[in-house]
Amino acid sequence: RKEVEQDPGPFNVPEGATVAFNCTYSNSASQSFFWYRQDCRKEPKLLMSVYSSGNEDGRFTAQLNRASQYISLLIRDSKLSDSATYLCVPTRQLTFGSGTQLTVLP
Amino acid sequence: GAVVSQHPSWVICKSGTSVKIECRSLDFQATTMFWYRQFPKQSLMLMATSNEGSKATYEQGVEKDKFLINHASLTLSTLTVTSAHPEDSSFYICSASGDLSSYEQYFGPGTRLTVT
Repeated sequence: RKEVEQDPGPFNVPEGATVAFNCTYSNSASQSFFWYRQDCRKEPKLLMSVYSSGNEDGRFTAQLNRASQYISLLIRDSKLSDSATYLCVPTRQLTFGSGTQLTVLP
Repeated sequence: GAVVSQHPSWVICKSGTSVKIECRSLDFQATTMFWYRQFPKQSLMLMATSNEGSKATYEQGVEKDKFLINHASLTLSTLTVTSAHPEDSSFYICSASGDLSSYEQYFGPGTRLTVT
């Protein structure tokens, strides 16, 4: 079983919408995670660290549900520039999944 | 956030030649650097983990004699693709981490290698 699994999408949403996607993980010992975003043909950039139940940074909110073993990323008031692939990875892990592709439409 | 540079950003080479890619952490000392490869529409695949002053640890299926990694200082790691073949054409990305407790990684901008 993969360390993390994400719905590959694509998620196509209109500008201004709120969108959320989940990342399920298999290792119940995982305590914290990173969310990265990767633009097409670019390198991943760290978006957010999640070390406890959740984290909020502006329009972005990440929540960790240990009971159900998933972590979610919520984007409010989505912008065109939010279009990217979003990758979750447990800390201390180096295995990236395929991520979730988000396209924000004008 | 921390800055990692990578050079060159793109390179075209002929089959059989070797290509060296440099990865530098510009404003922090990177205890560990990682090398990834990414084919179009696929996920990042870890090739090797590189610690300063020691031999790299290669992932299963990655030929250490073909992909030579040198991590001579806390700010520089190099990847040399030897005897390149067209199937080595890919996007190579390095990352650096100064935090061994979490492996929080900062990625270089990547190198797009095309082997003709």
